[in-house]
Amino acid sequence: ETGVTQSPTHLIKTRGQQVTLRCSSQSGHNTVSWYQQALGQGPQFIFQYYREEENGRGNFPPRFSGLQFPNYSSELNVNALELDDSALYLCASSLNLAVSEETQYFGPGTRLLVL
Amino acid sequence: GNSVTQMEGPVTLSEEAFLTINCTYTATGYPSLFWYVQYPGEGLQLLLKATKADDKGSNKGFEATYRKETTSFHLEKGSVQVSDSAVYFCALSAGNNDMRFGAGTRLTVKP
Repeated sequence: ETGVTQSPTHLIKTRGQQVTLRCSSQSGHNTVSWYQQALGQGPQFIFQYYREEENGRGNFPPRFSGLQFPNYSSELNVNALELDDSALYLCASSLNLAVSEETQYFGPGTRLLVL
Repeated sequence: GNSVTQMEGPVTLSEEAFLTINCTYTATGYPSLFWYVQYPGEGLQLLLKATKADDKGSNKGFEATYRKETTSFHLEKGSVQVSDSAVYFCALSAGNNDMRFGAGTRLTVKP
């Protein structure tokens, strides 16, 4: 069984640029959530996708957007990058919607540095 | 809103010492509670969870009991090993798709 994978592992961008991060869910999982983890902090929920539809969003501006594809892989797009966007971005997949009941499986993350 | 407060680190212990990492929560409704562990260079892994009051989650010698009366979910282990060195996150989910994490507690176990 393949775990959750993310690419790239590291990325450096400059302020104002756009970035796309990718996530492949664990086999058979139809739900993916994205989190931002600033240095020394716990992960913060960005949004969740279930069967290609956004299913909830945290307190992040619209320049954070996402996609989920028919094979349940996912992208996180961030436009107009700001210095504060520098963080570890984690995706997590689960078998079904209910985060409170289903175990989420996390990928290793993409570390983004904005200069 | 829902939130989790956990003990600030870092925590440094000798091998075989007893571990407690405190976690308290604020939530509406009846949240599920989790402990995740993050080893260096890896993603978060679920360590244990409890979905209702008085439930005890356990895994790999770690335990935590869901205490509604004190809104707590403290993590304990009777005898830590060097391999337990990691960052530990307490988290809650209150029936929606938004999991709230604490800031994390870094544990270092010395031989």
